[in-house]
Formats: sequence, C-alpha cells, structure tokens
Amino acid sequence: DIQMTQSPSSLSASVGDRVTITCRASQSISNYLNWYQQKPGKAPKLLIYAASSLQSGVPSRFSGSGSGTDFTLTISSLQPEDFATYYCQQSYITPETFGQGTKLEIK
Amino acid sequence: HLVQSGPEVKKPGTSVKVSCKASGYNFTGYYIHWVRQAPGQGPEWMGWINPNSGGTNYAQKFQGRVTMARDTSISTAYMELTRLTSDDTAVYYCARRAQYYDISLYGMDVWGQGTTVTVSS
Repeated sequence: DIQMTQSPSSLSASVGDRVTITCRASQSISNYLNWYQQKPGKAPKLLIYAASSLQSGVPSRFSGSGSGTDFTLTISSLQPEDFATYYCQQSYITPETFGQGTKLEIK
Repeated sequence: HLVQSGPEVKKPGTSVKVSCKASGYNFTGYYIHWVRQAPGQGPEWMGWINPNSGGTNYAQKFQGRVTMARDTSISTAYMELTRLTSDDTAVYYCARRAQYYDISLYGMDVWGQGTTVTVSS
C-alpha cells in the first residue's frame, strides 16, 4: 500500500497567517492527490483535487501544488472557520490511502 | 445529497448493512465509495461500487468480509460488513466521485452524514 505522510501532525496559527501543510507519498502518484478538511463530528469536505484544482465553492485562499511524491496545501490567510483537521488522500492505486492528518489549532 | 441509515450497535461476529440514498443527481453517473473512520483516527478507504454496472473494487483488507451493492430503482447503495469485531467500531461514510475507470483524478465531492457502527459484546 502507498503510505501518505503528512507534516506537521499539528500546527498552531493565528487568524491571518499563511499556513502550509505537506504530504509525501511513499511512491509516485503523479497528481492523483486530494485534500480534505474535516471538522469534529462532520464528514470530510473536499478542498483540492488533482493536486492543484480548487473544488467548486471552496475559497481561493486554499491552494495545492506538487506532483510525484511531494505535495503541499497552502492557506494564504487563515480565517476562523479554517481551524480543523486536514487530510491528504491518494487516488492513484488501490487501496486508496489517507494521510494521518494535520490538526490546525488557534494560537 | 447522500443520506445514510441510522446508528447501529452490533455484537461481535454479526453483520451490519448500511444504506446510502442519493438524491439531486444522476445516481448512475458517479461511483459510490465507502470510507470509515475509527474514533480518533484518520479516514480509511474500504472500496467503491459503480452504480451503473454494479462493478466493485474492495480494499484487500476487507476482501471476503465486505459486500457493496446498489438498487438503481431507488438510487441507493449498500455496504455490508460481516464477522464484526471491536476493531470495526467506526463511523462509516459513503461518498460519490466522478469516475470512469478504476482510478480517478477527481476527489469525493459529496459525502453522507456518516453512520456510527458500534461493535460491543
């Protein structure tokens, strides 16, 4: 199985900060990489697909980049509603696998 | 819109069947994926079903224990998991994805609300 490793596991930041989360795949997955946001007790929400495509309705402060094995999710200016847990997921080879998550907390 | 069946409490060794009813879109136009999340853990992909053909793809971890099915007449997908153990205690989600082959560049864009399955003696 492809292992997806996110860093950091947790992150404290302030409203207005620029934040970057990284995701590394254990083998090349081209650009078959998605990013999700999850709040407690809720289903994950798709933010970015195909590594860098913004899902419809998602604010433009979210962006994604990367290909091969290294990917990043950037939030350009944190808003109060962005404090949540973020997961990367590869959809290149089954079983599809998720990262362990990055919990974004208010500083 | 995907609406799932309600919470379940099961004994070890038994089975659970979760339903996922689609509305507001062409049910056969999107694959349905099943993802579970154990308490305090990240999501875990279980497999998908192509509602158009009925074709399935299961994670090897669940092979032999999971069955995904659909009823196109009522736009509903099902996931049945057998031989339950306490390790199967989790929230089970269905989610749709635009997909035409075994892999897809698209993400899972619509999710059900989740079904809590508790396995306890």
